Amino acid sequence: DAGVTQSPTHLIKTRGQQVTLRCSPKSGHDTVSWYQQALGQGPQFIFQYYEEEERQRGNFPDRFSGHQFPNYSSELNVNALLLGDSALYLCASSSESAGGKYNEQFFGPGTRLTVL
Amino acid sequence: GQSLEQPSEVTAVEGAIVQINCTYQTSGFYGLSWYQQHDGGAPTFLSYNALDGLEETGRFSSFLSRSDSYGYLLLQELQMKDSASYFCAVRGGGYQKVTFGTGTKLQVIP
Repeated sequence: DAGVTQSPTHLIKTRGQQVTLRCSPKSGHDTVSWYQQALGQGPQFIFQYYEEEERQRGNFPDRFSGHQFPNYSSELNVNALLLGDSALYLCASSSESAGGKYNEQFFGPGTRLTVL
Repeated sequence: GQSLEQPSEVTAVEGAIVQINCTYQTSGFYGLSWYQQHDGGAPTFLSYNALDGLEETGRFSSFLSRSDSYGYLLLQELQMKDSASYFCAVRGGGYQKVTFGTGTKLQVIP
């Protein structure tokens, strides 16, 4: 059973560019959340997708956008990159239909984004 | 908004017991989770408390007091592999929104 996968593992971009990160949830999961983790900090919630809709958003500007596909996979897009966007981007999946297990999020290995 | 406080670092001896505390402020509290993250790794779910009391899972236990906006993670029979960062995370301010603390770096020494 494959867990949460993310691609690419590492990415280097320059200021002003745009980036797309991808996530495939754990088999059987239908909900995907994206987090940004700066070095030495806890993950910060960006947004969550369920049924192809963004249903909750953290304190991130509109430069951060996403998408969920019918197969539950998801993309995170960041436009007009800033130096401060350099971080580890984590994707977490969970199951809306799993009752109490909904609160158990499975994280992928992350994408390390460096903005120069 | 949501905010959480937990100690930045804790050191404990192999075989001992350690408690990591977490206090939180949030609107619309739904529950408190704990995650473990090894250096260079992804966070791994440990436990979730929605109601007051103690939840036990093997060597790990988690406690919640909603009236005190406080919880803790208890690790027993510490092993070297338990050296990692531990994050408390509150679900609140929107059911789907999970806010993480800044993490407690646990070092287990022989």
